[in-house]
Amino acid sequence: DAKTTQPPSMDCAEGRAANLPCNHSTISGNEYVYWYRQIHSQGPQYIIHGLKNNETNEMASLIITEDRKSSTLILPHATLRDTAVYYCIVRVATGTYKYIFGTGTRLKVLA
Amino acid sequence: GAVVSQHPSWVICKSGTSVKIECRSLDFQATTMFWYRQFPKQSLMLMATSNEGSKATYEQGVEKDKFLINHASLTLSTLTVTSAHPEDSSFYICSARDYTSGYEQFFGPGTRLTVL
Repeated sequence: DAKTTQPPSMDCAEGRAANLPCNHSTISGNEYVYWYRQIHSQGPQYIIHGLKNNETNEMASLIITEDRKSSTLILPHATLRDTAVYYCIVRVATGTYKYIFGTGTRLKVLA
Repeated sequence: GAVVSQHPSWVICKSGTSVKIECRSLDFQATTMFWYRQFPKQSLMLMATSNEGSKATYEQGVEKDKFLINHASLTLSTLTVTSAHPEDSSFYICSARDYTSGYEQFFGPGTRLTVL
């Protein structure tokens, strides 16, 4: 199963863009990349997902490199409420379509 | 939006007893539910996948006789930790997939289990 690697922690100033990288160099052609975040002691919250093309929604943008070996989650204007652990996940493309969680990046948004 | 609930939100039990955790999809039918375990400051680890009406599929290293999973309906899955020991203390999180909207998983709020 494909694995993801993420930096353990990052800081970002409030109001600035937060760029969270993820490496998934062993991803297969039909495996999707998902991003979730987890605020302390709660269940993960869906943010965005993509396969090849860049994606944008009301929460964030997802940039996937052309070779699909890495991606970046962008929170365009970070707020204090965006402080959380962000997980980059590869969704297996067969069987149960389970998620393979990365180690996560602890983002701290600073006032 | 799709909502998943868990009950109880926290539980404390004595070593050797069994504990049952419920996971419900409130506004959609979930043919597949997943159970995760999370230790402090660690990522989520998938324990098992349950499909409605069939046996659960356990991940490597997870004892199926210790963690009993039942998915008897399209809105309810249960995880029973049998003969719990202090090392089973953890945060247990379920997720459910709405088969009509693709493969996205919706997560419950989690259950914190403490075994004394």
